[in-house]
Amino acid sequence: EPEVTQTPSHQVTQMGQEVILRCVPISNHLYFYWYRQILGQKVEFLVSFYNNEISEKSEIFDDQFSVERPDGSNFTLKIRSTKLEDSAMYFCASRQPLGTSGYEQYFGPGTRLTVT
Amino acid sequence: QKEVEQNSGPLSVPEGAIASLNCTYSDRGSQSFFWYRQYSGKSPELIMSIYSNGDKEDGRFTAQLNKASQYVSLLIRDSQPSDSATYLCAVNLGTGGFKTIFGAGTRLFVKA
Repeated sequence: EPEVTQTPSHQVTQMGQEVILRCVPISNHLYFYWYRQILGQKVEFLVSFYNNEISEKSEIFDDQFSVERPDGSNFTLKIRSTKLEDSAMYFCASRQPLGTSGYEQYFGPGTRLTVT
Repeated sequence: QKEVEQNSGPLSVPEGAIASLNCTYSDRGSQSFFWYRQYSGKSPELIMSIYSNGDKEDGRFTAQLNKASQYVSLLIRDSQPSDSATYLCAVNLGTGGFKTIFGAGTRLFVKA
């Protein structure tokens, strides 16, 4: 069964460093999302992406964040200058075009980001 | 601020019983609703989606939606210890499916 994959599974970085989190969505999916979950807290929406542009973003997704689909398979989240409060689990999700399976999103296993 | 509210639990039920999980949401324009299961340290796993008022059944799971009351529920019949997890209610804001907000989740324990 196709699944969303994410790399790395765990990233440790120092405050102020740039990190890139990578995702490979399910191959025929066209809508892509990033979420984060701080330990013990709720899953929070960051951004959605469709047709090579951002569709929606949350207040969390400020100028320090960017997303890109650099080729036909990868979807990346970049944090330019990490802060301690960016430490969280980051999940990528994807969904098919509307009409095939509604709005159902499928999540990857996540990348645990630790900022020291 | 659009919100999704869930009772944090824990909800404890004996094996074989029915577990009932509830969720309310604030955005009247929302049209798409989802239940995810999340085991500790893992990613959310989609259980059910529901788009129309009424009930939707899939195996041991039944989702119920009442848009007038802004209420979504999930029933788990014949609960098993493996159902012990946190259940997340998620709502797409508006109609485009581009922004999804999650409740904090309800922790369910199924006692063998």
